[in-house]
Amino acid sequence: KNQVEQSPQSLIILEGKNCTLQCNYTVSPFSNLRWYKQDTGRGPVSLTIMTFSENTKSNGRYTATLDADTKQSSLHITASQLSDSASYICVVSDRGSTLGRLYFGRGTQLTVWP
Amino acid sequence: EADIYQTPRYLVIGTGKKITLECSQTMGHDKMYWYQQDPGMELHLIHYSYGVNSTEKGDLSSESTVSRIRTEHFPLTLESARPSHTSQYLCASSGRGSGNQPQHFGDGTRLSIL
Repeated sequence: KNQVEQSPQSLIILEGKNCTLQCNYTVSPFSNLRWYKQDTGRGPVSLTIMTFSENTKSNGRYTATLDADTKQSSLHITASQLSDSASYICVVSDRGSTLGRLYFGRGTQLTVWP
Repeated sequence: EADIYQTPRYLVIGTGKKITLECSQTMGHDKMYWYQQDPGMELHLIHYSYGVNSTEKGDLSSESTVSRIRTEHFPLTLESARPSHTSQYLCASSGRGSGNQPQHFGDGTRLSIL
């Protein structure tokens, strides 16, 4: 069964600290993996997208890594800010059909305290 | 900021009412999607469209219906709302070259059926 599992479910860190969020997936065949940030009461916003051949992608203070062999991805946030408080969602796309299908994780709820 | 808009943002209404959730985008995207999201849970695709007069059901069975008469407009309708329809509904769109992955999300409609 294709799945996307994210950990931790929730995380609290102090402003200025770094953190790493994990995403493990069993989706096969694999097409790409995307991380979204979803602020409370808002729609998700895409942070990074990586294909099979990419193992790292940065977007400002956000750096995503991908290990397609172990089917693991991480999102590293550097020097956290209060505005980083949000849910971070990992989404994996397969290429089992011409349309592909998306598999969503349940997200990691990050809270940054001052 | 993405140019995709959903109205209303919040709706509390009684059982049995007909409801239409509006979604419009000004980016000229061919592909549009409706997702359902409950707190702490993953997004589930309920409808999608690849262009005018094209609509398909998604992975999650839904009693709602959609229409795509104009490129920019993708409304979702519930003919007779029930408490089980209480959820957050997110609309998204994607342009050419993005496969089937939603690039831009609206901020959602939080629907509560009494």
